[in-house]
Amino acid sequence: DAGVIQSPRHEVTEMGQEVTLRCKPISGHNSLFWYRQTMMRGLELLIYFNNNVPIDDSGMPEDRFSAKMPNASFSTLKIQPSEPRDSAVYFCASSWHSGGPGDEQFFGPGTRLTVL
Amino acid sequence: ELKVEQNPLFLSMQEGKNYTIYCNYSTTSDRLYWYRQDPGKSLESLFVLLSNGAVKQEGRLMASLDTKARLSTLHITAAVHDLSATYFCAPNTDKLIFGTGTRLQVFP
Repeated sequence: DAGVIQSPRHEVTEMGQEVTLRCKPISGHNSLFWYRQTMMRGLELLIYFNNNVPIDDSGMPEDRFSAKMPNASFSTLKIQPSEPRDSAVYFCASSWHSGGPGDEQFFGPGTRLTVL
Repeated sequence: ELKVEQNPLFLSMQEGKNYTIYCNYSTTSDRLYWYRQDPGKSLESLFVLLSNGAVKQEGRLMASLDTKARLSTLHITAAVHDLSATYFCAPNTDKLIFGTGTRLQVFP
């Protein structure tokens, strides 16, 4: 089992540029989560999808952030334009949502984003 | 909104000692996870606690859940250096809410 796959693993960009982070969930999982981790704010849930549909995007910081899940095996998180305060590690996680509350999530390796 | 507090936030302990990490949460939750994160790495699930009074043990780590007190504990027995990591608790409502994390450092 390949686990959750994220790309790129590291991204360095300049302020104002567009950044796209990619995630491939574990095959068979029907829920996908995007998190951001920083020293100051800890681990924050940005958005999650169930069956490719966004369920809760209340954690998305502002309109510069957008996320899509065009199919069950792929999701993107886009930041446009990027700002230095967006520098963080972005994790994608997936789970099998059985209909009950809070299923175990499996995390990808993360993308370390640095915005100069 | 579910709020999760862990304490201590940072724990430095000597090898061979015992200690407990506490996780308090603010609203009803009947399932709780503990995750481990090594420096620069991703999060790895350690335990899932599914009911009041649940206890799980893996090696030197033992986790318990008291849903009435809204409290989970992670007990470390005879700590070793390999346990150095950050530990997160995550109770659920309709989604997991992660605590602040407890950074554990075990020294000789």
